[in-house]
Amino acid sequence: NAGVTQTPKFQVLKTGQSMTLQCAQDMNHEYMSWYRQDPGMGLRLIHYSVGAGITDQGEVPNGYNVSRSTTEDFPLRLLSAAPSQTSVYFCASRRDSASNEQFFGPGTRLTVL
Amino acid sequence: RKEVEQDPGPFNVPEGATVAFNCTYSNSASQSFFWYRQDCRKEPKLLMSVYSSGNEDGRFTAQLNRASQYISLLIRDSKLSDSATYLCVVNPSGTYKYIFGTGTRLKVLA
Repeated sequence: NAGVTQTPKFQVLKTGQSMTLQCAQDMNHEYMSWYRQDPGMGLRLIHYSVGAGITDQGEVPNGYNVSRSTTEDFPLRLLSAAPSQTSVYFCASRRDSASNEQFFGPGTRLTVL
Repeated sequence: RKEVEQDPGPFNVPEGATVAFNCTYSNSASQSFFWYRQDCRKEPKLLMSVYSSGNEDGRFTAQLNRASQYISLLIRDSKLSDSATYLCVVNPSGTYKYIFGTGTRLKVLA
C-alpha cells in the first residue's frame, strides 16, 4: 500500500491564482481530512469528509473547497490564493469512526507571493 | 486559553536521560487522547494512544489525569533517534475533530 499520497510536494503561487492540492489513499478509509500547519500553531482542520459524497467544514475553511467523489481521492482547491494561505498542508485519512489512528500524507509546502 | 497547550521547548537532554512532557486540555468532555511524533519537515505519525489506566510501549509511557485535565509522555533511556517534535492530540467526545497542540521539541544530545 502507498498509504496517503499528496501532490505536489512544493508549490509557489502568485496572489489570486487558483490551484488544487491532490490527496489520495489506497487503504479504503472512510474518513479523510485536510489540515494546515503554521509555525507556532498546531495543525488546524480545514475540511473533512466521512465518506464519498459527504464533506464538512473544519476550523479554518475560508478560501478552500473540497469534494469527495470517490473513497480514494480528496482534493483541496484554493479558489484565489492569498499570502495568508502560505503554509504546509497535510492530508490525513482514518479507517472509520471506530478507529483512532490518523495516517498523514507527506505534505505540500505552499508559498503564495 | 488554547484548547490544547504544550510547552514548546526545546528540551535538550543527554542520551540515556529520562524526559517527560505534559499537555493540558481545556475541554473536560474530551474523550480520546494521543501523542504523535513529527520529525523535521515530515508528516505526524501516531506514537501512542493514551488510556485512562495509562499505557506503556517500550521506553514510552503515557498517562492521563482527567481531574487535572492533562496528559503526559515519559521517555526513558533517550536515544538520539528520539529527537523530534511531540504533538499532543485531543478528540472531544462526539466530534470528528482532532485538536492538535503546537508540539514540544525534544533534542537528545550525544
